[in-house]
Amino acid sequence: EAQVTQNPRYLITVTGKKLTVTCSQNMNHEYMSWYRQDPGLGLRQIYYSMNVEVTDKGDVPEGYKVSRKEKRNFPLILESPSPNQTSLYFCASQLVGSYEQYFGPGTRLTVT
Amino acid sequence: GENVGLHLPTLSVQEGDNSIINCAYSNSASDYFIWYKQESGKGPQFIIDIRSNMDKRQGQRVTVLLNKTVKHLSLQIAATQPGDSAVYFCAENSNTGNQFYFGTGTSLTVIP
Repeated sequence: EAQVTQNPRYLITVTGKKLTVTCSQNMNHEYMSWYRQDPGLGLRQIYYSMNVEVTDKGDVPEGYKVSRKEKRNFPLILESPSPNQTSLYFCASQLVGSYEQYFGPGTRLTVT
Repeated sequence: GENVGLHLPTLSVQEGDNSIINCAYSNSASDYFIWYKQESGKGPQFIIDIRSNMDKRQGQRVTVLLNKTVKHLSLQIAATQPGDSAVYFCAENSNTGNQFYFGTGTSLTVIP
């Protein structure tokens, strides 16, 4: 089944404790993105990648890191999480030349 | 720019009626516009897209209209069904890099 998977789905952590949210897609898509979703603000793009080893900042990259060492994986790293990073996070992938993004099921992160 | 509104616009329609969901976009340089549907507890799902050189595009039960003069986008759903109840987001892409900007969403409720 074609899909985007994220792990973990739920995470509660404390301020300053480094964490990684994994994202993997099995559709051989070149493009991948990370978004955060907050009430009343819609989805905001954090980072995107257009190919292996190519990453670019989205609208709200501060406090986040990403890497794209393989085509299928695009982990999101929070080196020192803070409470304002409490949010619902989505990973997405798409074929080059297409604007149809396939979203993962989301990761709900709480930072206390 | 960021919409700091805290309340999601809502739309309630009777089953079988047509629905119209509106969206105002901000960047006149955007090249593609996309509509997504997000059901409770799930990631957004692609519905339809339209390129900036078009003013109308039709899909299965859905039509997207683009008015570049007033920077307005609408999604029309014909014969709305209970399964259409969800939050609907518009998004724009500037075709430089892979940056997407999402609206804050409209919550559609279909009354049986």
